[in-house]
Amino acid sequence: DAGITQSPRHKVTETGTPVTLRCHQTENHRYMYWYRQDPGHGLRLIHYSYGVKDTDKGEVSDGYSVSRSKTEDFLLTLESATSSQTSVYFCAISNWRQGSYGYTFGSGTRLTVV
Amino acid sequence: AQSVTQPDIHITVSEGASLELRCNYSYGATPYLFWYVQSPGQGLQLLLKYFSGDTLVQGIKGFEAEFKRSQSSFNLRKPSVHWSDAAEYFCAVGTPIQGAQKLVFGQGTRLTINP
Repeated sequence: DAGITQSPRHKVTETGTPVTLRCHQTENHRYMYWYRQDPGHGLRLIHYSYGVKDTDKGEVSDGYSVSRSKTEDFLLTLESATSSQTSVYFCAISNWRQGSYGYTFGSGTRLTVV
Repeated sequence: AQSVTQPDIHITVSEGASLELRCNYSYGATPYLFWYVQSPGQGLQLLLKYFSGDTLVQGIKGFEAEFKRSQSSFNLRKPSVHWSDAAEYFCAVGTPIQGAQKLVFGQGTRLTINP
């Protein structure tokens, strides 16, 4: 979607290596989220951020860390990739204020861990 | 904990037929409810949302959904489907975090359209 970009779009990595996915927004939204999508599970929240340097865990945070050093960028790091982290990762942004309760999702990053 | 159930993993309907996708949620307070659609290889697009007020909500592409508190349901409907509606559909409930909401998604329903 316009205003939110994920990179890379596709990545293949080896088990045990660190991987960083980037989410970049140009909307100046306060809230940013990382989800993973797996068949039969829908989307599950990994981590979210409610401001610069303010982050919290979601329901499937084990093995992942995040950082947000500026409003526009939210990084997701797999500290030591495992095959169970093969998934499609979506970033989302929201502003959540009166009259603007929307979420915008990025196009996704397909990660394969071999 | 909040949760969303979409009982139908896969639905097939004929083009021109009516459609209803089911969604049940578990949440103690008045929920924020959403329906998203995902075409193959694409991101998620918002179809419609419910926060309060009229329980029948109109969305894009001719979709509507009805919030029924007594049944904890938020079913998605369309009177006549088109081949372009083939996609995966996700229901979600918003749960409070730090002044905003995070989304809890159902497992998704894959819709196939027969010509």
